Amino acid sequence: QVQLKESGPGLVQPSQTLSLTCTVSGFSLMDYSVHWVRQPPGKGLEWMGRMKYDGDTYYNSALKSRLSISRDTSKSQVFLKMNSLQTEDTAIYYCTRDNSIWGQGTLVTVSS
Amino acid sequence: DIVMTQGALPNPVPSGESASITCQSSKSLLHSNGKTYLNWYLQRPGQSPQLLIYWMSTRASGVSDRFSGSGSGTDFTLKISSVEAEDVGVYYCQQFLEYPLTFGSGTKLEIK
Repeated sequence: QVQLKESGPGLVQPSQTLSLTCTVSGFSLMDYSVHWVRQPPGKGLEWMGRMKYDGDTYYNSALKSRLSISRDTSKSQVFLKMNSLQTEDTAIYYCTRDNSIWGQGTLVTVSS
Repeated sequence: DIVMTQGALPNPVPSGESASITCQSSKSLLHSNGKTYLNWYLQRPGQSPQLLIYWMSTRASGVSDRFSGSGSGTDFTLKISSVEAEDVGVYYCQQFLEYPLTFGSGTKLEIK
């Protein structure tokens, strides 16, 4: 059964760095791409970036200077790091397999 | 970036009636390979987005045949025949022709 699960801190202080992990099961990261998408409370969806199956990454230009996506294929994990967080980065963060299968999402609140 | 613009629904929609959601892209999503790079999602309240339709008109696995997608290169429609209570939520279109992937702002469906 294909599953993705996001994990990370629920609360981050302004100006700090966010670190999230997407742990997948039921497929190999070397066969499928994983994307990160976020959704501010009550708002729409924003695509952030993707880790391709071959290890290549691509980022939304609006976030590129702050965002980094990496992976550990042996642990079936994809990582998101975003620095200089502000209150407008408060959102539910999702990882998805090729935008077809989504994790449950994890809420990140940026607040002091 | 490709801009996706969604139309609104005349909510609430009576149960059993049909509903059509429109989406327009700022650039043609028709690739030279003949495929149209458009997805439709449903996000039920409190849940992650669920893929309904890909390649503009192909239903995802397990999706009811009450859902159908159609369109041209820039104008798209998701039709829900005979709406049911479980169809309540926000519908999003997404283009995956170019990076950054972009979503429409969402169309809310309420049932009467």
